[in-house]
Amino acid sequence: EADIYQTPRYLVIGTGKKITLECSQTMGHDKMYWYQQDPGMELHLIHYSYGVNSTEKGDLSSESTVSRIRTEHFPLTLESARPSHTSQYLCASSRDGGLSTDTQYFGPGTRLTVL
Amino acid sequence: AQSVAQPEDQVNVAEGNPLTVKCTYSVSGNPYLFWYVQYPNRGLQFLLKYITGDNLVKGSYGFEAEFNKSQTSFHLKKPSALVSDSALYFCAVRDGGAAGNKLTFGGGTRVLVKP
Repeated sequence: EADIYQTPRYLVIGTGKKITLECSQTMGHDKMYWYQQDPGMELHLIHYSYGVNSTEKGDLSSESTVSRIRTEHFPLTLESARPSHTSQYLCASSRDGGLSTDTQYFGPGTRLTVL
Repeated sequence: AQSVAQPEDQVNVAEGNPLTVKCTYSVSGNPYLFWYVQYPNRGLQFLLKYITGDNLVKGSYGFEAEFNKSQTSFHLKKPSALVSDSALYFCAVRDGGAAGNKLTFGGGTRVLVKP
């Protein structure tokens, strides 16, 4: 099991609420990622970070934002949640070292439902 | 651009029979290929990867995968399936010639192993 954690595991909230999904890893990985997994199972990269103070948008446009103030922490925030944000959110991390061979390790995911 | 295709949405197999999950890929440079498994309400777990070397890669839980450059395939195999292998399987690729560590995932294949 990888040492990467996500909280909460499940969240049901009303439209318009601000939420933050937490992701932490204790492996000292420089690179971290957020994926959105839709009901059809496909994974879409929405944000990634190569290190502290580095954040980039992924392949799928998302209304969420991320921050990377500490190496081990990569929270994702939705300022105003909508039903279209209902999905499974997966966080992942990998080592740096410039090796694109490095494996990404995933957290358990947060299942978000916006009513 | 890099892409992955998993042509089967679902694979059904009887316990004890061989299991194969298909994956084909497209990259410009050298392919780095990965297989992950996802159990219900869990994140993705790394199974195995191909970077270079022997075309037959052995991974966790008795799984193996064969890299075939001419057919641009990386099929996942298990000689004798267990009921506990029932899960969602994802193939992923990264272009070894491209900067960064972004993975592209296939759409996933659901495996159902019947007793």
